[in-house]
Amino acid sequence: DTGVSQNPRHKITKRGQNVTFRCDPISEHNRLYWYRQTLGQGPEFLTYFQNEAQLEKSRLLSDRFSAERPKGSFSTLEIQRTEQGDSAMYLCASSSHDYPRDTQYFGPGTRLTVL
Amino acid sequence: QKEVEQNSGPLSVPEGAIASLNCTYSDRGSQSFFWYRQYSGKSPELIMSIYSNGDKEDGRFTAQLNKASQYVSLLIRDSQPSDSATYLCAVNLGGDTNAGKSTFGDGTTLTVKP
Repeated sequence: DTGVSQNPRHKITKRGQNVTFRCDPISEHNRLYWYRQTLGQGPEFLTYFQNEAQLEKSRLLSDRFSAERPKGSFSTLEIQRTEQGDSAMYLCASSSHDYPRDTQYFGPGTRLTVL
Repeated sequence: QKEVEQNSGPLSVPEGAIASLNCTYSDRGSQSFFWYRQYSGKSPELIMSIYSNGDKEDGRFTAQLNKASQYVSLLIRDSQPSDSATYLCAVNLGGDTNAGKSTFGDGTTLTVKP
């Protein structure tokens, strides 16, 4: 069990560019979540997958955001036409349907800076 | 009103003291409750989970849950400087339809002074 991994760890981009982040969950976990966290705030839910199905998207997730989880393994989060307001830490978490119930384990995060 | 509220910080305690962190939540259907620790610039790290009313102890940490009062707390005994961090309370509705989506408070920053 190597834990949840995320790549890249840091991303600096110019406004208007597209960026893509990757998350590899704990191998036996079938649920995967994306959150966004800004300074001084708790993580905000963006979207989650059960296996390959995207079951819920937050209203925070505008049309510029898209997430995929092909084959129910790793997931990608893409932000198109980035804006300065997108600067944040993007966190991925995974959990198992079974025990321990609903317990989510977080990856190290991807810090996005939009110039 | 936020769905999950934590007592405003920062909280400062001397080394060896008990630190008490509080959290209230608005949805009575909430089933799972978690405390995470987050060091500056790092991601949240799970400390405790609690699902039933009462106390749950794990080492120096004790989580307390009162569903009737919609209240969950975390006590840290014998606080150490390494406990200095932001503590996040997370609440899940649980069940298949909600699948453990977590709602977080904004955290309470704890400083333990040597």
